[in-house]
Amino acid sequence: QVQLQESGPGLVKASQTLSLTCAVSGGSISSGTDFWNWIRQRPGKTLEWIGYIYSGGNTYYNPSLRSRLTMSLDTSKNQFSLDLTSVTAADTAVYYCARWRGGGTWDFDSWGQGTLVTVSS
Amino acid sequence: QSALAQPASVSGSPGQSITISCTGTNNDVGDYNFVSWYQQHPGKAPKLMISDVTHRPSGISNRFSGSKSGNTASLTISGLQAEDEADYYCCSYTTNGNFWVFGGGTKLTVL
Repeated sequence: QVQLQESGPGLVKASQTLSLTCAVSGGSISSGTDFWNWIRQRPGKTLEWIGYIYSGGNTYYNPSLRSRLTMSLDTSKNQFSLDLTSVTAADTAVYYCARWRGGGTWDFDSWGQGTLVTVSS
Repeated sequence: QSALAQPASVSGSPGQSITISCTGTNNDVGDYNFVSWYQQHPGKAPKLMISDVTHRPSGISNRFSGSKSGNTASLTISGLQAEDEADYYCCSYTTNGNFWVFGGGTKLTVL
């Protein structure tokens, strides 16, 4: 059973870059057909898919965030990361990393516990 | 991209059955059998309960079942238990460029 764990600063100043990492255990991020995702939940709001990075390194981002978003893989540490630039208060949220197995399925079968990021002015 | 429409809250007594609806469009729920449901307890990560409209992942109780008719998917929980009290989110594949759209969430209260 794969396990995911997010880490990163809980507080980021407005206009700066939000950087988060998701450590994966129980499986390799560079094998198979797995897609590694970021999903966020703003206070009182529903879940919002942010983007994914494929085990081969290809990425696809939510069009609403694409201009500010970069995702990357670190296969040596079995983790993947998110950088979101020029943050505002609207980026305050709990950020989750999650796995999508691809292969005809369209669900997220494993999730991290989530990490709260607050953007301060 | 608007969220899928879910009732804000539902409630039921232990042992009863409840159904949570999730209404989308022909760009998501209506045209694709890629609806999933997630259970989220306070402060916890979402947990996959139903995938592909009706499929229960390994380890999920058969008290949970999913269905779909037209643009509306539904999650039914039978034999309600106190531990079922949580928020429930539906999610669907969408052709609107961002692959997935989630519902607004439904708070289930077990009376």
